[in-house]
Amino acid sequence: QVQLQESGPGLVKPSETLSLTCTVSGGSISGYYWSWIRQPPGEGLEWIGYIYHSGSTNYNPSLKSRVTISLATSVNQISLKVSSVTAADTAVYYCARGEWLQRGEYYFDYWGQGTLVTVSS
Amino acid sequence: SYELTQPPSVSVSPGQTARITCSGEALPKKYAYWYQQKPGQAPVLVIYKDTERPSGIPERFSGSSSGTTVTLTITGVQAEDEADYYCQSVDSTGTGVFGTGTKVTV
Repeated sequence: QVQLQESGPGLVKPSETLSLTCTVSGGSISGYYWSWIRQPPGEGLEWIGYIYHSGSTNYNPSLKSRVTISLATSVNQISLKVSSVTAADTAVYYCARGEWLQRGEYYFDYWGQGTLVTVSS
Repeated sequence: SYELTQPPSVSVSPGQTARITCSGEALPKKYAYWYQQKPGQAPVLVIYKDTERPSGIPERFSGSSSGTTVTLTITGVQAEDEADYYCQSVDSTGTGVFGTGTKVTV
């Protein structure tokens, strides 16, 4: 059974960089699109971006200038960095495995439990 | 940017049928996917490719599509189905898009 676990600081100061790691167990990173998704308290889901095991990425245009997603395949980890954070970046951050369809679409079949990141001084 | 619109809330009595709609301009050409999210938990995939049900998801969950609207139907709603439900699709640039979310109250 594939399991995903997010980890990282729960508190980040404004203007600093948010850094999270997702560790995948019970399966390989290869062949899937690994996404980060966030959810501000009491609000809906927002897709942040994905990375394929080859290293290719795609980011939400609304966050693209501040987001970097990377892979460490040797340790089955996916990382997220969001720079210049503000209070609006306060959210539960999820990593999720993306199942890719040939017509260029994808959906999320496995999710981590999520980790709350608060941006505050 | 591409948007998927859902009703904010749906209320249903136990044993009745709940229908949750999701509207989006590209849905005639793109699949929709549905997730159930209970308080304090991660979302769970309940429908993929408009109508397919993952293994382990009860048969009372079904999906349908008509034009620019897709529908998640829960037949014979149970108390445990009380949750938020989100549709999801992908726009023409490959950007993932989630619907606005619907709170189902049983």
